[in-house]
Amino acid sequence: GENVEQHPSTLSVQEGDSAVIKCTYSDSASNYFPWYKQELGKRPQLIIDIRSNVGEKKDQRIAVTLNKTAKHFSLHITETQPEDSAVYFCAASPPSNFGNEKLTFGTGTRLTIIP
Amino acid sequence: EPEVTQTPSHQVTQMGQEVILRCVPISNHLYFYWYRQILGQKVEFLVSFYNNEISEKSEIFDDQFSVERPDGSNFTLKIRSTKLEDSAMYFCASSWPSGGHQPQHFGDGTRLSIL
Repeated sequence: GENVEQHPSTLSVQEGDSAVIKCTYSDSASNYFPWYKQELGKRPQLIIDIRSNVGEKKDQRIAVTLNKTAKHFSLHITETQPEDSAVYFCAASPPSNFGNEKLTFGTGTRLTIIP
Repeated sequence: EPEVTQTPSHQVTQMGQEVILRCVPISNHLYFYWYRQILGQKVEFLVSFYNNEISEKSEIFDDQFSVERPDGSNFTLKIRSTKLEDSAMYFCASSWPSGGHQPQHFGDGTRLSIL
C-alpha cells in the first residue's frame, strides 16, 4: 500500500520568513495530493491540493509543487504569520474509483511561527 | 459554508462496551469516510463508503467495526467491543461525487476514551 513520509517533524521560522515542508510517496499510481492544516484539538482543514497533471499550484501565500518522477511534493508558505502556526499534514490518494479515494497521510509537521 | 457535523464530541466508555459515533455529512455529498487519529500521531484511514456499501477498508477496520447509513442524513461508525487501543480521535469526512478527486471535508471529530 501507499506510504507517505513527511519532513521535518517540527519547524520553527521567524515571522515573515518562508516555510517549506516536504513529502515523499511510494505508490506511483497516486494522483491526488492534498495538504491539511490542523490546529490544536480541531479538524484537519484542506488548505491546498494538487493533481498529478500539474507541477505547481499557488493560492496567495501558499504553493505546492509536485515532482512525479521523484515522487515527492512540497508545501511552501511565504511571508509567514503567527496564525500559520499549526500541524500540517500531507496526503496522497490513488486514482478516483467510486468512493475509493482514501487518503494516506504523512506524519505531520508542527510549524511554529516566532513573532 | 456547509460542514460535516459529528456527535458526541467526547465519548468515555468502559472497555468491552459498544459505542456508536455519529456523523452528518454535507448534504449533497455521497462519498463518506472514517479516519482515526491516536493522540500525537498521524491521521489513519479506516473505511470508505459509497452507494450503501463499503468501498475499501483498512487493516484497522476489523470485525469489531461496522458502518451504516441508517437514513438519508446520518453515517455511523460502530465499535462492537471496545479495546483500550481504540482510544483516539475519530474523524468523519465526506466529498462530492465527481469525476476525479474532490476535496474531503472533515468534521470536528469525536474523542473516544476507553477506560
